[in-house]
Amino acid sequence: DAGITQSPRHKVTETGTPVTLRCHQTENHRYMYWYRQDPGHGLRLIHYSYGVKDTDKGEVSDGYSVSRSKTEDFLLTLESATSSQTSVYFCAISESDRGPYEQYFGPGTRLTVT
Amino acid sequence: EDKVVQSPLSLVVHEGDTVTLNCSYEVTNFRSLLWYKQEKKAPTFLFMLTSSGIEKKSGRLSSILDKKELFSILNITATQTGDSAVYLCAVVNTGGFKTIFGAGTRLFVKA
Repeated sequence: DAGITQSPRHKVTETGTPVTLRCHQTENHRYMYWYRQDPGHGLRLIHYSYGVKDTDKGEVSDGYSVSRSKTEDFLLTLESATSSQTSVYFCAISESDRGPYEQYFGPGTRLTVT
Repeated sequence: EDKVVQSPLSLVVHEGDTVTLNCSYEVTNFRSLLWYKQEKKAPTFLFMLTSSGIEKKSGRLSSILDKKELFSILNITATQTGDSAVYLCAVVNTGGFKTIFGAGTRLFVKA
């Protein structure tokens, strides 16, 4: 399995509070992604990174920001959590020598916003 | 709008049956199609398909892509209870960053 960890694995927070999720990889892969998974929607891309300090938006980026100051860490921040952001969040990485096509997923973070 | 549609949404079979899962897509600048298996945890990678008509196989699982008709199928022969999972199809564009996932097919294999 690819060396990807996510923290925390579970979190319950209140509406309006800031939340930061962390993705950490030990594979030195260039590409990193944040997805959310909701029933009926499959996985939807929030943000992605193609290098340190290089990030861009995915299809559901509103209300989220990201940062990547080191190759191994990709942070997802909800500036002011809302109930619609209750979801399971997955981080993924891609092997740099194959390009960004095959993605390997972390274990996920279950976030509940009350 | 880019989209990936999987069918059926759910399927119940008996051990030993053969199943075919479908994935159709409409994506600009197609690069590759990926299949994943998801049990009660993170998706795990199964196949990547980039060329039409070339079958990928791994044990009892196989998949093929038709770029003209814009679909792919995933076959599982001699199903086992361990095959019970959600199977996800995803399509990647040429830039490699935009990955569109289908909603998945939930397969349940009865003993």
